[in-house]
Amino acid sequence: EPEVTQTPSHQVTQMGQEVILRCVPISNHLYFYWYRQILGQKVEFLVSFYNNEISEKSEIFDDQFSVERPDGSNFTLKIRSTKLEDSAMYFCASSVGTTPNEQFFGPGTRLTVL
Amino acid sequence: QKEVEQNSGPLSVPEGAIASLNCTYSDRGSQSFFWYRQYSGKSPELIMFIYSNGDKEDGRFTAQLNKASQYVSLLIRDSQPSDSATYLCAVSNQAGTALIFGKGTTLSVSS
Repeated sequence: EPEVTQTPSHQVTQMGQEVILRCVPISNHLYFYWYRQILGQKVEFLVSFYNNEISEKSEIFDDQFSVERPDGSNFTLKIRSTKLEDSAMYFCASSVGTTPNEQFFGPGTRLTVL
Repeated sequence: QKEVEQNSGPLSVPEGAIASLNCTYSDRGSQSFFWYRQYSGKSPELIMFIYSNGDKEDGRFTAQLNKASQYVSLLIRDSQPSDSATYLCAVSNQAGTALIFGKGTTLSVSS
């Protein structure tokens, strides 16, 4: 069964450093998403992406964040200058369409900012 | 601010019983509603979705939607210890470009 994959599974970085989280969405899916979940809190939407453009972004997704689809398979989330409060699980998801938008999640990348 | 509210629990049921999980949402324009299961330390796993008023059944799971009351529920019949997890209610925004999640209800099924 096709699934969303994410690398790395765990990333440790120093405050102020740049990190890139990588995702490979399900191959026939057209919509891609990033969510984060701070330990013990709810899953929060960051951004959605379609046709090489951002479709929607939340207030969390400020200028420190960017997304890119550098090739036909990868979808990346970059955090330019990490802060302690960026420590969280970051989930990538993908869906075929938007109505309904059944989103399938990857296993996540645990980001720890020291 | 669009909100999705769930009772955090824990909800404890004996093996074989029916577990009932509830969710309310604030955005009347929402069209699609989802239930995810999340085991500790794992990612959300889609159980089922519903977008029409009424009931939708899939195996031991039944989702119920009442748009007038802005209420979604999930029934799990014949609960098993392996069903012990946190159940997340998620509501799509009107454009279908984002899911808004509740905090989740923790279910514990005892054998």
